[in-house]
Amino acid sequence: GDSVTQMEGPVTLSEEAFLTINCTYTATGYPSLFWYVQYPGEGLQLLLKATKADDKGSNKGFEATYRKETTSFHLEKGSVQVSDSAVYFCALKGNTNAGKSTFGDGTTLTVKP
Amino acid sequence: DVKVTQSSRYLVKRTGEKVFLECVQDMDHENMFWYRQDPGLGLRLIYFSYDVKMKEKGDIPEGYSVSREKKERFSLILESASTNQTSMYLCASHRGYYNEQFFGPGTRLTVL
Repeated sequence: GDSVTQMEGPVTLSEEAFLTINCTYTATGYPSLFWYVQYPGEGLQLLLKATKADDKGSNKGFEATYRKETTSFHLEKGSVQVSDSAVYFCALKGNTNAGKSTFGDGTTLTVKP
Repeated sequence: DVKVTQSSRYLVKRTGEKVFLECVQDMDHENMFWYRQDPGLGLRLIYFSYDVKMKEKGDIPEGYSVSREKKERFSLILESASTNQTSMYLCASHRGYYNEQFFGPGTRLTVL
């Protein structure tokens, strides 16, 4: 079945550091890929998405490129801020799971001033 | 602004009580989901629904049931709450097959 493997956390960075959170997936066909963010005490919200190979999703300075050849969707940001401290989830929606999403375990990011 | 709302942010119940968690979305989405979120276990799907009066078991349905009498509302029911059901419960909805999910703020349930 479908699966998502995320880089284990927690990740602690200083403000203005470069961020990478790795995400690889297993799925048949051509899934859509997502990054969600969960701020403390809140539900998940969509950060960015990509629906086909080589698409780049971007939002709020975050980027991720859908790489079918490496089955990856790594999240990057050039300069993190304290306000980026949150839990980040990689997810996919494939064509074999009847529309259900498959989520990674989440990566906790803490940014220190 | 699109919204998924959940009836309570925090709930404290006693073992054996029947618990209702309500979720309402205003986006006319046909698909709705209930997850629980626990430290170290990520998000786990309890039940989902593709249409009114329709439900499907997720990965961990034991001890739970659901009801969807109207398109906008999806209820999660704990028939007899137990301490191992203490968790954060998240409701989500989406339209179509490949679109993203919209999540509610979550209900943190404590069963004593």
